[in-house]
Amino acid sequence: KAGVTQTPRYLIKTRGQQVTLSCSPISGHRSVSWYQQTPGQGLQFLFEYFSETQRNKGNFPGRFSGRQFSNSRSEMNVSTLELGDSALYLCASSSLFGLAGLYNEQFFGPGTRLTVL
Amino acid sequence: LAKTTQPISMDSYEGQEVNITCSHNNIATNDYITWYQQFPSQGPRFIIQGYKTKVTNEVASLFIPADRKSSTLSLPRVSLSDTAVYYCLVVDSNTGKLIFGQGTTLQVKP
Repeated sequence: KAGVTQTPRYLIKTRGQQVTLSCSPISGHRSVSWYQQTPGQGLQFLFEYFSETQRNKGNFPGRFSGRQFSNSRSEMNVSTLELGDSALYLCASSSLFGLAGLYNEQFFGPGTRLTVL
Repeated sequence: LAKTTQPISMDSYEGQEVNITCSHNNIATNDYITWYQQFPSQGPRFIIQGYKTKVTNEVASLFIPADRKSSTLSLPRVSLSDTAVYYCLVVDSNTGKLIFGQGTTLQVKP
């Protein structure tokens, strides 16, 4: 079974631009979560989607948004990029929706390395 | 919001048992505590998950006391390939948000 795939793997943008990252979950998984990882803040939860609905959201500004399609693929968008948005953005999928009940094992992709200049 | 505390780094030698403890408060009473392993340039990988007492799988054990204010990941007989960053993950009791620990960098020496 193929793992979680994320595209692109690397991205360089300038301040003020916007960016869209893509995530394809493991086949059959309906829950997709996004995380930001930086050396200073570690791993931080952005949001989770299940069946095209956002189920939970972390403490990030409205510039960070996402969506999930009917095939469970998900995209994350960051508008008006800031230098501090430089990070590794990780996507994870799981077979069950975790936040309405018990947390379920997540399978992470390799991440997209975003650099904002 | 739930707060987690892990040691920033630990050193060990091959063949030794390594215990990494994560302290956590305000976690959801009915949710699991989960540990992940991360190698450079890769996403985190699930190691083990538990609710209370002791859980063991083929790679690790997890000890959780009755008050669930901490959890200890135990790696038996580590090898060089266990050199990685280890994260605990909990669920905040009020918001349901997922909270990762800051990570413990384990360096296994020959």
